[in-house]
Amino acid sequence: EDQVTQSPEALRLQEGESSSLNCSYTVSGLRGLFWYRQDPGKGPEFLFTLYSAGEEKEKERLKATLTKKESFLHITAPKPEDSATYLCAVQAIGKGAQKLVFGQGTRLTINP
Amino acid sequence: ETGVTQTPRHLVMGMTNKKSLKCEQHLGHNAMYWYKQSAKKPLELMFVYSLEERVENNSVPSRFSPECPNSSHLFLHLHTLQPEDSALYLCASSQDWADEQFFGPGTRLTVL
Repeated sequence: EDQVTQSPEALRLQEGESSSLNCSYTVSGLRGLFWYRQDPGKGPEFLFTLYSAGEEKEKERLKATLTKKESFLHITAPKPEDSATYLCAVQAIGKGAQKLVFGQGTRLTINP
Repeated sequence: ETGVTQTPRHLVMGMTNKKSLKCEQHLGHNAMYWYKQSAKKPLELMFVYSLEERVENNSVPSRFSPECPNSSHLFLHLHTLQPEDSALYLCASSQDWADEQFFGPGTRLTVL
């Protein structure tokens, strides 16, 4: 069964304090790994898709990386507006490929 | 309207009521999804429609009944729900079932 585990569950940082969020996954064959950001009371907002080990993608202060077992979301010099829950999801190859399996998310708080 | 819209944004219903959730996407996508998000649990896929055909029914109880009359609209018909069905119901769409999904703001459902 495909599984996604995110850590830590919650993270508090000071503004400007860089850190990383982890997404560990087990999947029969990875088609894609997705990162989303979710603000309270809103739907998830798409950030990145990663397809193969070694791939990296960047957007402003965020950089996502992928290995064969996990993905990291690196946050460089975060600002209070980066506070949100970050969700990771995997999509498998083959039967069930239309299904995204989500982790529980990491709730990130950036204090000014 | 742009993106994915959902109505109503909040809904309170009794266990004997019948209600419907509506989702509309303005992105020209071919696939649409219903997800359930409960507190402390990962996003759970409920249904997937691709080109108006249901391709996934993730063991959802029959008190939830989806309808996709065309590629832009998706409904979730609710009847005789239980209090444990209270959650945020999210609609999403993607260009194809294999592509990144874009979410609506959700409907916060409370079952009394």
